Formats: sequence, structure tokens, C-alpha cells
Amino acid sequence: DAGVIQSPRHEVTEMGQEVTLRCKPISGHNSLFWYRQTMMRGLELLIYFNNNVPIDDSGMPEDRFSAKMPNASFSTLKIQPSEPRDSAVYFCASSFQDVAYEQYFGPGTRLTVT
Amino acid sequence: AQSVTQLGSHVSVSEGALVLLRCNYSSSVPPYLFWYVQYPNQGLQLLLKYTSAATLVKGINGFEAEFKKSETSFHLTKPSAHMSDAAEYFCAVTGGFKTIFGAGTRLFVKA
Repeated sequence: DAGVIQSPRHEVTEMGQEVTLRCKPISGHNSLFWYRQTMMRGLELLIYFNNNVPIDDSGMPEDRFSAKMPNASFSTLKIQPSEPRDSAVYFCASSFQDVAYEQYFGPGTRLTVT
Repeated sequence: AQSVTQLGSHVSVSEGALVLLRCNYSSSVPPYLFWYVQYPNQGLQLLLKYTSAATLVKGINGFEAEFKKSETSFHLTKPSAHMSDAAEYFCAVTGGFKTIFGAGTRLFVKA
């Protein structure tokens, strides 16, 4: 299996621009998670989907962040407008069935907002 | 609610020495517990997991962890450190529908 695929791996953008991060989960997994990792705040869960439905988005920082999962094989995390404080590594992870199972992480997208 | 505390943000050991990374958890329901490892510029990878079977769990790369309910602990150990073990390690607890990750412990291995 190819594992969780994320694109792009690196993104540099200017403040105010829209940023879209993409994720393809492992085939057969029905749970998908978006995380953000920074030195200051560590690993934070942003949103969790189960069977393509958002279950918990309480970690989404503010309205500038949105996530979608139109089908079982694709998800996006969008930031509009982006701000320098959004600079972080964003990880997508997928899991079989639910959180009782281990999560498989993608390689991450390193976002820099200048 | 669940929470995880990892004691020590940095741990340094000599090559060949015992590795001990500490994790204490809090959970209002029987927990599932995990240890993940993150190498530089990579995502997290599962090392091992506890799901209410044997309390001593063996994982990859010679690591193991023991679930101690009375101490609410799930410490990670490895008898002999290798240079390739240098990484960041995360303890995680799941109860209900959410997984909570600890702040991480960075392991340094000295030659």
C-alpha cells in the first residue's frame, strides 16, 4: 500500500492568500484526521471524519479554516485567508473504523506563511 | 475525558544503555494506549499499542511498554539504545472517539 499521501509537501505563501492542503487516505480506512504540529503547541487535532462525515471539528482554530471530505479517498484542508501564525506542519492520518485503532500518518505538509 | 502527560521533554542516553520514556494517562473509560515515533521530517509511526489484552506490550525495533492501571502509567522501554533510536516519541490515549497525544519526548543517543 502507498500509505497516506499528502500534497504538497512544502508550501510557501504570502499572508492573505488561500492555501489548500490535500490528503489521500489508505484505501479501506474510513476515519481521517487532520493535525497541526508546531514547536509551541505540539500536535493538535483539527478535525476528524468518519465515513466522510465530520465528527469533531472543535480543534479548528477559527472560521478561516475549513475541511472537506467529498469521498472516501480524498480530503482537503483549506485556509483562507492565511496568516503567519498558521505556519506549521500539517499532517493527515487515516484509521480503520475508529480511533480505537492505530492511525497511519502521512509525511506532512510544511506550510510557511510570510 | 482523557489526558496524557509525558515526563521529560528531552531524554539523553548513551548507546547501549536502557531507554525509559515515561507516560502517565488519565481516562474516564478503559483506555487504548499507543506509542508513536517521529523521525525528522516524517509523520508519526506506530511503535506499539495496548488494547486491554496483555499488559506487557511488545512493539517494533525492540521497544516494549507495560500498562499499569494502578499507576495509570504506560512507560516505554528498550534494553539497549541504538543510534537509530534518536527521534521524538509520543504517547497517546484513546477513550471514546478522540485520541489525545502527549507533548512528546525527544530521545538523544550519544555514541
